[in-house]
Amino acid sequence: RKEVEQDPGPFNVPEGATVAFNCTYSNSASQSFFWYRQDCRKEPKLLMSVYSSGNEDGRFTAQLNRASQYISLLIRDSKLSDSATYLCVVNHAGAAGNKLTFGGGTRVLVKP
Amino acid sequence: DVKVTQSSRYLVKRTGEKVFLECVQDMDHENMFWYRQDPGLGLRLIYFSYDVKMKEKGDIPEGYSVSREKKERFSLILESASTNQTSMYLCASTPRRAGDTGELFFGEGSRLTVL
Repeated sequence: RKEVEQDPGPFNVPEGATVAFNCTYSNSASQSFFWYRQDCRKEPKLLMSVYSSGNEDGRFTAQLNRASQYISLLIRDSKLSDSATYLCVVNHAGAAGNKLTFGGGTRVLVKP
Repeated sequence: DVKVTQSSRYLVKRTGEKVFLECVQDMDHENMFWYRQDPGLGLRLIYFSYDVKMKEKGDIPEGYSVSREKKERFSLILESASTNQTSMYLCASTPRRAGDTGELFFGEGSRLTVL
């Protein structure tokens, strides 16, 4: 089983609709969680951290469910510019210190 | 703005060649990382470095080595390139242990094809 798993998609989303997708992680000792965004042929960039109580950043909402070991990302009022691959990142303490593990990414395509 | 620069965007090499991928960051970051990204597998950590002349193996170090002689420069070396090393290679840096904030600053990537 992979440490961090995501549905690769693609999620085809009409413009203006809401889309949500999850990321599961296997290490229950994982400490912190993040969502990155990667545009086609570009490098990944941090989108937002995921806090235990859930957090919003504009149209984006991130949630953490420690009991079931998953995090989620919800995008409201989808824009064409939201088309990208969303990478889930999980941090846990390893022998050499903190370690970030990336999921395979979920591709989102927003269409007019 | 933090800038992480990778020396080559696209490379084509032959099996058995020695390959150098260079990465330079201009923000005095202590920590630097090399990842490879393959479809469906996400980013996998090859090597990282917390300081000059220091290196640690990541999840998939086999077939690779690294060099960090100066703080701003982190080089990835493929001693004898093989076709299964065809991939996108991403360099990243951060001013603190990456897990604290989760923010890695990535270069634009180097797409290596080994024939």
